[in-house]
Amino acid sequence: KNEVEQSPQNLTAQEGEFITINCSYSVGISALHWLQQHPGGGIVSLFMLSSGKKKHGRLIATINIQEKHSSLHITASHPRDSAVYICAAPPNIYYGGSQGNLIFGKGTKLSVKP
Amino acid sequence: DAGVTQSPTHLIKTRGQQVTLRCSPKSGHDTVSWYQQALGQGPQFIFQYYEEEERQRGNFPDRFSGHQFPNYSSELNVNALLLGDSALYLCASSPRTGTVRTLNTEAFFGQGTRLTVV
Repeated sequence: KNEVEQSPQNLTAQEGEFITINCSYSVGISALHWLQQHPGGGIVSLFMLSSGKKKHGRLIATINIQEKHSSLHITASHPRDSAVYICAAPPNIYYGGSQGNLIFGKGTKLSVKP
Repeated sequence: DAGVTQSPTHLIKTRGQQVTLRCSPKSGHDTVSWYQQALGQGPQFIFQYYEEEERQRGNFPDRFSGHQFPNYSSELNVNALLLGDSALYLCASSPRTGTVRTLNTEAFFGQGTRLTVV
C-alpha cells in the first residue's frame, strides 16, 4: 500500500467546473506538497502546507493533519489546467535538512474540456 | 534565475551502457535530490546530496550513483542499463534549513531527462 494515496486517478471535467482532488497519507508528516506536472514532464510546486488552507489564484489547498488528508480545489476550471496533479509528503519530521525524500502519490490526471 | 536545469532533455541508450545525467540547482540552493518516474507512476526517490555527499538513499541498486560538485550541481550515473531503467529522471533542489524541525521548504524541480533504454 502506497503511503500517499490520491483520488481519483483520472478526472475529466467541463470548463468552468469546480474540481476537487484528494490526498490521504499514512506517514507522519508535518507538511504536504501539491505539485503540477504537464505532459512535457516538468514539475511545478503549487503549494506546501502544514495546516489550514492556502489559496493562489483559482487554486485552493487544504490540509487536516489530524485526519491525514488534504484536498486540492480548482475553481472555474480551464483547459489549461489539464495536467497531472501530485501530492507528496516527507515521511518523517525528524529528518535533518530539506525534504529530499518525498513520498509521492501516483498522481491525478485532470482533463478539462472546453 | 534559470531555476533548476537538467541535461540532456532526452536520451536513448542501449542495454548495458552507462549514462550520466546532470542537474544544476536553483540559485541559492545547496541540496539536490534525484527521482525516477516510470510511466504512469509517481516519482520515486533515488538519493539526495548536500555538502558533496550522498545523505539519503532510496531503494535503488548500487548501479545508481551520484556526485555533487562544489558549485552544488549534481550528476546521476547509472551503470549497466536495463530496459526497466527507462523513465523520466527528475532533479529537485532546495535550500537546506540545517535544523531538524524546519524541513519544510518548497521544492523546485527541473524539467527532467527522459531516458529510453533499448
